[in-house]
Amino acid sequence: EVQLLQSGGALVQPGGSLRLSCAASGFTLENYAMSWVRQGPGKGLEWVSSLSSSGVATYYADSVKGRFTISRDNSKNTLYLEMNSLRAGDTAVYYCAKEAFGDYFDYWGQGTLVTVS
Amino acid sequence: SYELTQPLSVSVALGQTARLTCERNQIGSKNVHWYQQKPGQAPFLVIYRDNKRPSGIPERFSGSNSGNTATLTISRAEVADEADFYCQVWDSSTAVFGGGTKLTVL
Repeated sequence: EVQLLQSGGALVQPGGSLRLSCAASGFTLENYAMSWVRQGPGKGLEWVSSLSSSGVATYYADSVKGRFTISRDNSKNTLYLEMNSLRAGDTAVYYCAKEAFGDYFDYWGQGTLVTVS
Repeated sequence: SYELTQPLSVSVALGQTARLTCERNQIGSKNVHWYQQKPGQAPFLVIYRDNKRPSGIPERFSGSNSGNTATLTISRAEVADEADFYCQVWDSSTAVFGGGTKLTVL
């Protein structure tokens, strides 16, 4: 059974840093592209970042480019999102999501709340 | 920037058919995916590649995509279908979500 178990959300001050984790089970992370998607309070879904299945290509929304870094540890089957220079506008529930054929998001983590205040 | 337009809200009578739209110029040339999200829960996939249903999604859910509009159709609407629905496409290695539609079943 595919599962994505997230951790790392917290209350952090503006300008601070945080690392989110997404532990995958039921599949091998390095065989799939993965993404992070966030949802601000009362708002819709916003794509944040993607990592290709090869682990080489990374993509970021303009709103986080230069501040966030997506990565993975194949030995731990875990995806990460390193977030620096956090702003109030980054406050959101962050979801990791598995990409099927690099196209649609077929599995989602449970979400983790990041509050910047 | 690439934007997808969804109505903020759609209401449907119990047992009737709801049609949720997602609009963008020439969206018919893209693969459109739909996600359902209930309060306090993560989104989950209900339609992928315009009209395909993942395992476990009822046949009441169907999709179409042509021209400037993609449509998620929910037949025989149930109270349990009440949720926010988001359409999604890829544009230049960027995932784009519509603003979401809140479906209310009356």
